[in-house]
Parts: sequence; structure tokens; C-alpha cells
Amino acid sequence: AQKITQTQPGMFVQEKEAVTLDCTYDTSDPSYGLFWYKQPSSGEMIFLIYQGSYDQQNATEGRYSLNFQKARKSANLVISASQLGDSAMYFCAMSSNAGNNRKLIWGLGTSLAVNP
Amino acid sequence: NAGVMQNPRHLVRRRGQEARLRCSPMKGHSHVYWYRQLPEEGLKFMVYLQKENIIDESGMPKERFSAEFPKEGPSILRIQQVVRGDSAAYFCASSPMAGDNTEAFFGQGTRLTVV
Repeated sequence: AQKITQTQPGMFVQEKEAVTLDCTYDTSDPSYGLFWYKQPSSGEMIFLIYQGSYDQQNATEGRYSLNFQKARKSANLVISASQLGDSAMYFCAMSSNAGNNRKLIWGLGTSLAVNP
Repeated sequence: NAGVMQNPRHLVRRRGQEARLRCSPMKGHSHVYWYRQLPEEGLKFMVYLQKENIIDESGMPKERFSAEFPKEGPSILRIQQVVRGDSAAYFCASSPMAGDNTEAFFGQGTRLTVV
């Protein structure tokens, strides 16, 4: 069965510093996708970054990068140069790439607070 | 190009009433996923639909919950005889085709409160 684990319920970071949010996963599928989403206090779910299991390069999107270590089954999110607006819940999620069903399995999230 | 639209944003129902949650996918998207987020938790998959077909309903509670995605109109998640434990945020995501997962487009969610 697929599982996502986010071990950090809460994190603090100083504005302009970098922060790493941890995510480990478990799956028996040979092909899968890993996602990070941001949920601010307003409640919407905002897509940040995607990594395919066969992608050779670690994904990057602006200040977000995904540190993908396949052997360790980890997909940590790195946010560089934190901003006050980054304060939010962050969710790691995974989908199987076997078949056409792309339902996402989610972690419990990490609450990030950026201090001025 | 409107994104995934969910309405209402907030819904209050008394115990025993019915709740209808609507999701209009992005233009050109024919695949819809529904998720539920209980307080202080991550999202849980409920159901995956294509136009006029339920593909995977393994996450749906066995009773009181149903979903549809008709040929015309939005996808509907229906909860009959709501109970306090149904209070949650319900999110809908859409994708353009089967097997496309590089990005799942989410609506803003419907927050259901059962009083």
C-alpha cells in the first residue's frame, strides 16, 4: 500500500533563510509521481512542484526545489529565501503512474511559520 | 481561463439534511477527483469520475455518500442525512485526460459544517 509520511508537524524559519520540509514515501509501484502543495489559511490547495519517479533531474520551480532521493524514498521540499507569505501548511502527496487513475495519497502536512 | 470552480464555498446543514457540493472542472477537463479533508488532517481520496462514469469509488463511505459527473453540468457530491462527523473541507480536482498527473488542478474547496 502507498503511504506518505511527513514527520514535522510544525517548522519555524527566519525570513530570507532556506527551509527543508521532509517527506518520505512508501510504494511498490515502479512508476509514480510526487507532489507538494501549499495550503494557506484561506484554505485553497496550491500546487507547487512535481517530480516523476523516472525524472533524472530534481524538479525546481522558482524558489521551490524538490530533493528527490529515490533509494531513500524521500522527496523533501526546499524553499529558498523564505518570505512571510510562505507561512502555510505544506502537504506532500503521491500518485501511482500505473494505469490511468491518478488519485493522490497525502501526508498529514507540515505547518510552516516564517518569522520576520 | 477559469480554474476548477467549486460551490458553495461554505455550506451549513443541520443533522439529517442533505448536502450537495458542486464541482465544475477546468475547460476541456473530463476527469474529476473528490477529496475530503478532516480538521487537522491531510486529504483523503473519495472518488474518481469521468464523464458519466464512476471509475474508482474506493474512498467513499458505504452509506449516505454518492457522486456523479453527468454528460452536461458539474460533478456533484451528495451527502444524505448529514451527521456532525461529515463536517470537513471537500476538494475537487480535475485533469484533462486519463493518466495525466503532472499537475492536478484543485478548486478552492467547500467547507461543510453540520450543526
